[in-house]
This record gives sequence, structure tokens and C-alpha cells, in this order.
Amino acid sequence: DQQVKQNSPSLSVQEGRISILNCDYTNSMFDYFLWYKKYPAEGPTFLISISSIKDKNEDGRFTVFLNKSAKHLSLHIVPSQPGDSAVYFCAASASNFGNEKLTFGTGTRLTIIP
Amino acid sequence: KAGVTQTPRYLIKTRGQQVTLSCSPISGHRSVSWYQQTPGQGLQFLFEYFSETQRNKGNFPGRFSGRQFSNSRSEMNVSTLELGDSALYLCASSPPGVGGWNTEAFFGQGTRLTVV
Repeated sequence: DQQVKQNSPSLSVQEGRISILNCDYTNSMFDYFLWYKKYPAEGPTFLISISSIKDKNEDGRFTVFLNKSAKHLSLHIVPSQPGDSAVYFCAASASNFGNEKLTFGTGTRLTIIP
Repeated sequence: KAGVTQTPRYLIKTRGQQVTLSCSPISGHRSVSWYQQTPGQGLQFLFEYFSETQRNKGNFPGRFSGRQFSNSRSEMNVSTLELGDSALYLCASSPPGVGGWNTEAFFGQGTRLTVV
């Protein structure tokens, strides 16, 4: 049972344009959401997070939007740069479980075309 | 501040053997989690330790076990290795949450285990 889904395994975007990565979840107990970026043979690097009391969080070129009613979140990267080419994972957790377990999606491979 | 350190980086083992992987969290982080990454499966949660106690466990067989020491360092052990255990094993540590909210997890570079 995949509680966090990233339905697009890959995405190609022209340099300078906006990249939009999508993520859906099914567990209504999730209240904290994160995006990680991963290069091959390295551990995931934290990008940005959002708690369920917000619907938007921005950090530089990265913005995460949360739509709780649709159980959907998205990561916007603008403008996209070649160094953004990586696999992006969406993750979710439930704070009231009193643990740090993260449930990850299967990832989206983003390729920025120069 | 040093990041999460995992040793070894690479490991080759034979079917049926056992293996122990080590993780040193970021100083001050008491929560340590382990994940398995295989192609097409994303990151699968193995278990989480906090103050030497296992707080949560994923859906892995009993061959996968772990422990945490008083200095928050953690080890995971896989016994009777199978070919399907070949994967990147990632350790993550988390700082204390604020106001009941979870915080982001910081990952190590992982241990690439190959079972032959």
C-alpha cells in the first residue's frame, strides 16, 4: 500500500523554465511533508518542508504547495538550473505518532535541459 | 558540525552471511532511522531508534535488526543475507522536534551492500 505516490517517474524541463513535481498521499494522519533531492550514490538532501497548518512555503527558488483537501503537494523550482537534475523524493510523516518515521514516494527523476 | 556518517561505504557479502552497518548521527540528534533503497522501490523505512529504544518498525523480516547506543550511534544487522538484500542502506538522524512537530531528517551517504 503506497501511502505516498509520485506518479511521474521522470520529468524533463528546459533550463530557466519552471519545474513542477507532484506528490499525492492517502493517509490523513500525515501532517508534515518534505522534499528531498538525491544524486546517485549519495544520501538524500533535505530541500524544503511544510506543515499541515500552512498551504505554501518558499525558500529561494523552491516553493512547496500543500492542498490538504486534495491530499496533494507540489514542488515548484523556478528558474530551473542544470544542477537541479536529480531524483526528487516526496516524504510525509505524522507528528502525533511521536516518531520520526518518514514515508517516501518512489521519486521523480528531473532532467534540466540546457 | 559533522554530518551523519555511515560505515562502511561499500560492502560485498555472500548469501547466508550476516552484516553489520554503522551510523553516527549528527551531534545532539537522538533519533536515528534506517531506510533501504532499491531501484523502483524508493526508500523503505526499516526502523527508528530514540534514546536506545526502538520507537517504530517497518515491514521487514526479523532478519533485519538494529540497536542504538547511549551516545546515539546506531547499528543495523542483517542475518542470513539473501540476494534481494542488495541495496543502498541509508541512515538518518533528526533533531528534537519543536512544539510536537516533526523535523527534517538528515541522511548519511549510505552503505551500498551487494550480496552475491
